[in-house]
Amino acid sequence: DGGITQSPKYLFRKEGQNVTLSCEQNLNHDAMYWYRQDPGQGLRLIYYSQIVNDFQKGDIAEGYSVSREKKESFPLTVTSAQKNPTAFYLCASSGDGRYGYTFGSGTRLTVV
Amino acid sequence: RKEVEQDPGPFNVPEGATVAFNCTYSNSASQSFFWYRQDCRKEPKLLMSVYSSGNEDGRFTAQLNRASQYISLLIRDSKLSDSATYLCVVNTGFQKLVFGTGTRLLVSP
Repeated sequence: DGGITQSPKYLFRKEGQNVTLSCEQNLNHDAMYWYRQDPGQGLRLIYYSQIVNDFQKGDIAEGYSVSREKKESFPLTVTSAQKNPTAFYLCASSGDGRYGYTFGSGTRLTVV
Repeated sequence: RKEVEQDPGPFNVPEGATVAFNCTYSNSASQSFFWYRQDCRKEPKLLMSVYSSGNEDGRFTAQLNRASQYISLLIRDSKLSDSATYLCVVNTGFQKLVFGTGTRLLVSP
């Protein structure tokens, strides 16, 4: 079955460490996105990529980095520069924005 | 002004009730519209697209009013399983969706 897979489901990070969240899709979608969701709040766009080897900053890109070397993969690195990294991170993909996004099941990151 | 605005709720309704949510958007050039459902601690899932002529999927009806720039979702005969947060989503162009903060629905026995 086609879908979008995020791993790990839960991640604990010590302060000062960088961590990388994985996102893989086999839907043949061109566009991929990373969102962050804090408790009781909406989704905020971190980065997005509409084509391989190209990506754009979203509304809250500071402290994050991404790469898009393959169509299927769009990993997100949460760097030590991100002041408040504890959140629920959601990856999504889209073949055509007319039909909405497909989301992965998310990664819950906690800084300890 | 936020690009997409929703009443956060919660809307508390008994089983069998009809409930409606509205959402307003600010970008008149917005091209497509959706309602997503998000359960607690889960990812959002597409509930339905919203078409200009309005559309229905079982107990759910979505309407779009471009002149007034609002979208609505009507749920008839509410079930306990309808309890969730409903996200209004707007495509502002270039494959970029903007999400509302969601309206929380609680259906009680």
